[in-house]
Amino acid sequence: QLQLQESGPGLVKPSEPLSLTCTVSGSSISTSDYFWGWIRQPPGMGLEWIGSIYYSGTTYYNPSLKSPVTISVDTSKNQFSLRLNSVIAADTAMYYCARHDRFSYGNFDPWGQGTLVTVSS
Amino acid sequence: NFMLTQPHSVSESPGKTVTISCTGISGSIARNYVHWYRQRPGSAPTTVIYDDNKRPSGVPDRFSGSIDRSSNSASLTISGLKTEDESDYYCQSYYNNIWVFGGGTKLTVL
Repeated sequence: QLQLQESGPGLVKPSEPLSLTCTVSGSSISTSDYFWGWIRQPPGMGLEWIGSIYYSGTTYYNPSLKSPVTISVDTSKNQFSLRLNSVIAADTAMYYCARHDRFSYGNFDPWGQGTLVTVSS
Repeated sequence: NFMLTQPHSVSESPGKTVTISCTGISGSIARNYVHWYRQRPGSAPTTVIYDDNKRPSGVPDRFSGSIDRSSNSASLTISGLKTEDESDYYCQSYYNNIWVFGGGTKLTVL
């Protein structure tokens, strides 16, 4: 059964970098059928797609994001990662990783349980 | 940029039918599939409708989805409402290499 698990620091200081990792189990990340994406949700607010990556390294990012982000993949570890270079308070959110279909631009499924990141000094 | 707009909240009584709309802005909603998610407090979203009108296994047939090209909208309809249906619901689609979520609708069943 496919499962995704986010990991990373729960607390980050403003202007510092944030790195999160999504570990995929139950299936290879090196599949031609899917993208692997990051979605976040600030407290009490809606869902925001951050970006997605294909196992080859091709990436897609949300152009509306205020801060630049980088998504990378490590096929040897069956993981993909998200990096924000310099966080601000508005980056405080629950961060989810999820798989989505490449050919039909399908739904995000399954999702990880999420990891809460708080930006505070 | 393409956006999806949803009502902030809807409410209905148990046993009734409710419809949640998702309107496309600056693009045709029919161009790509629309998906619907339910999110219970403290949990990750789960799919209740995918590819406009398909139900994942385990989702009751009280849940249905549709597309109305004339209003450029998608709809999630839940019939025979139960108190357990009370959740936040999000629509989602794709447009020009961007995956877009609606702002979410809080469904209250009272």
